Parts: sequence; structure tokens; C-alpha cells
Amino acid sequence: EDQVTQSPEALRLQEGESSSLNCSYTVSGLRGLFWYRQDPGKGPEFLFTLYSAGEEKEKERLKATLTKKESFLHITAPKPEDSATYLCAVQENTPLVFGKGTRLSVIA
Amino acid sequence: DTEVTQTPKHLVMGMTNKKSLKCEQHMGHRAMYWYKQKAKKPPELMFVYSYEKLSINESVPSRFSPECPNSSLLNLHLHALQPEDSALYLCASSQDPRNEQFFGPGTRLTVL
Repeated sequence: EDQVTQSPEALRLQEGESSSLNCSYTVSGLRGLFWYRQDPGKGPEFLFTLYSAGEEKEKERLKATLTKKESFLHITAPKPEDSATYLCAVQENTPLVFGKGTRLSVIA
Repeated sequence: DTEVTQTPKHLVMGMTNKKSLKCEQHMGHRAMYWYKQKAKKPPELMFVYSYEKLSINESVPSRFSPECPNSSLLNLHLHALQPEDSALYLCASSQDPRNEQFFGPGTRLTVL
């Protein structure tokens, strides 16, 4: 069983159409949950760290939230430049455990 | 300086070659990592150095040999690779192993 599951695998949105990406995890002693953005052929870009249930972080059109079992990455009024793969990773001890990612396409 | 740099950006090598990948950070981070990433897959951890000591080796074949000359530099020495080793090799660093990791742009490796 995967410790980190991201859904959906792929998401296609019209520009301005808000949506959410999900990251569910099964680790019992979460030390941190991390969101990254990755463009094709490039290294992941760090977005957010969440440590405890109820915590929220925001950056431009992105907002990350955390519960005891899952995290959501909310994208408000996305633009074509938000198209990328979004990776979630959790840390129980070390090292990070990555989910398989959500490939987001935003169409103008 | 808030970035991780990697050289070269691209590398093509034969199965008998010896080459090295280099990674550098000047953020004062004390943990550094090598990952391998295949297309449409998440990064896969290879090695972790914590305070310049190898702390995790995820059962990586001996044809990959890491080296950490100092707290800012990380090398990955390659020898007798196989075509299936072709991938994007990512370096990352963090303040310590419990903190968020910052990734470099990667080296695209092709083994012929």
C-alpha cells in the first residue's frame, strides 16, 4: 500500500476555473508534508511545508491545507503558467516519501 | 544565494565511461541528497549526506558512488552504467534532514 496517494493523476482546467488537488497519506507520525511544483525536465520547486492539522499556507493563487489524513492544494483562478506537475511528499522519519503527482493543464 | 546548482545540464556517456555529476549549494545547508527521476515518475532517493557523512544509501548499485568533499559540494561518480540508468539526476539540500528540501535543476543523463 502506498503511503502517499495523490488524486487526480491528471487534471485539465479552463483558465479561471478553480479546483483542488488531493494528497492523502497513511503515515502515523507525520513530521511534515511538503508541496512541490515541477515543470517538465526541471527540478521540483518548493512551494509549502505543513506540520500540523489545521495549518494553512498561501502563495499567490495557491493555498495548501492539512488535516490528519490528507492535504489539499487549492488553485484559485488558475492561469496557463500554473500548468505543471504538483508533487506531495510526507516525512515520518527520514527520508521524504513522494506521491506520484498530479499533472495539471490550464487551458487559455 | 538560495539555489542549488548542478553541472553538467546534459551528459551522454557510453557504458564503459567514467563521469561525475556535481552539485553545489551556498545556503549553509547540512543535508544533501541525490535523487533519480524517470519520466512521469516521482523522484527516487539514492543517497543522503547529513553533516558530510553518508547516512542513507537506498540500495543503489555500486556503479554509482557518492562523495561529499565539504558541506557545500556533492558529487556522484558514475562508472560502467547501463542504458536503464538514463534519467534525470536531481540534487537537493536542506537545513537538516527534517526540513524542506530545495532541488537543483537536474542533470539529464543518457547512457548509450
